[in-house]
Amino acid sequence: GENVEQHPSTLSVQEGDSAVIKCTYSDSASNYFPWYKQELGKGPQLIIDIRSNVGEKKDQRIAVTLNKTAKHFSLHITETQPEDSAVYFCAAFQGQGSARQLTFGSGTQLTVLP
Amino acid sequence: NAGVMQNPRHLVRRRGQEARLRCSPMKGHSHVYWYRQLPEEGLKFMVYLQKENIIDESGMPKERFSAEFPKEGPSILRIQQVVRGDSAAYFCASSTTETRSSPLHFGNGTRLTVT
Repeated sequence: GENVEQHPSTLSVQEGDSAVIKCTYSDSASNYFPWYKQELGKGPQLIIDIRSNVGEKKDQRIAVTLNKTAKHFSLHITETQPEDSAVYFCAAFQGQGSARQLTFGSGTQLTVLP
Repeated sequence: NAGVMQNPRHLVRRRGQEARLRCSPMKGHSHVYWYRQLPEEGLKFMVYLQKENIIDESGMPKERFSAEFPKEGPSILRIQQVVRGDSAAYFCASSTTETRSSPLHFGNGTRLTVT
């Protein structure tokens, strides 16, 4: 089955700096890669996603890049703000046969220091 | 437009009791997924259901756990004879179609504590 690895597990940045979180996946058939933000006591919230026919996608201060050959994708947050502090999860989806499920990375605790 | 609704938010059970977790998907969503999250870990897939059908239960423990999504009413995750290791946050997510076509929207979870 699919295996998703996420790094780093914790990340601290100064307000205004950029943050980068990286993920690798194992199944070359995976074709959809969402990123979720989880605040304390809440469920994961989708913040951006990318499909395998696209190399990069941007939404205001958030961008995601995908390298299908290397099987890795990254989340980039620019001009970080204290409210960006949360746990971020990457995920991969295959959607073939019975594998219709998201496989999540282990999460990155991002702390933005004021 | 209400999101995914899960209840209860917190549930405390003694060892050996039954836990029933409920999930109402977003309006218009017919696909439901259950995930489990242990403290400081990622989300682990448990089961994927459509109305009246279990599509993929490859992540469900073979014993004591069951799920349903009836024609009417919420999806139910049922854990019989709970043990301390079942303590976790259980999240439900819904989508309009399979994830490839539409994103998953998560509820705020049910935090189960087994004493």
